[in-house]
Amino acid sequence: EDKVVQSPLSLVVHEGDTVTLNCSYEVTNFRSLLWYKQEKKAPTFLFMLTSSGIEKKSGRLSSILDKKELFSILNITATQTGDSAVYLCAVEAVRGGGADGLTFGKGTHLIIQP
Amino acid sequence: EPEVTQTPSHQVTQMGQEVILRCVPISNHLYFYWYRQILGQKVEFLVSFYNNEISEKSEIFDDQFSVERPDGSNFTLKIRSTKLEDSAMYFCASSDGQGGFGNEQFFGPGTRLTVL
Repeated sequence: EDKVVQSPLSLVVHEGDTVTLNCSYEVTNFRSLLWYKQEKKAPTFLFMLTSSGIEKKSGRLSSILDKKELFSILNITATQTGDSAVYLCAVEAVRGGGADGLTFGKGTHLIIQP
Repeated sequence: EPEVTQTPSHQVTQMGQEVILRCVPISNHLYFYWYRQILGQKVEFLVSFYNNEISEKSEIFDDQFSVERPDGSNFTLKIRSTKLEDSAMYFCASSDGQGGFGNEQFFGPGTRLTVL
């Protein structure tokens, strides 16, 4: 059974701090790892990391994938109150159907205090 | 920017009733998905759909559930006889299926289903 574990489950920091969110996985036939930000409702896509793209950066957010050690981290620098959200890690595995469902972790609830 | 849309945003139903949740995926996407998130729990995969048939389904997706693409734009999830434990947020997602190394899945805003 595919497994995705995120840590910490919750994190409270002050505005301006840098945070690192962790995601480890056990998946058969790994294809990609995705990070989402979930505020009130729908998960919003942030990054996808694959064997052809193990580092991604967008503004203050960056992420790396370690396929050997089976984990990924999401870094947010100079945090702002608008970064407060649940950050979800999900893994896509190849199971032969073509449209493969994602396996999600429980998420990290990040709170940025002013 | 194109986005996945879902209707209704909130559905309240009595136990045993049938419900249909509707989704309009991004127009040039080929793969469609349903997920659910019970309050306080993680997002769980239900089913995926490609080329007018189910591509993959999870253990949750039993005979009470069905999916359909009735026309060129809508993608629906039907729950035949709702149970209390079906109360959850249901998300539709779509991807273009063009990523050789992975498929970015884009999520709709969700339908909150409450079964009384």
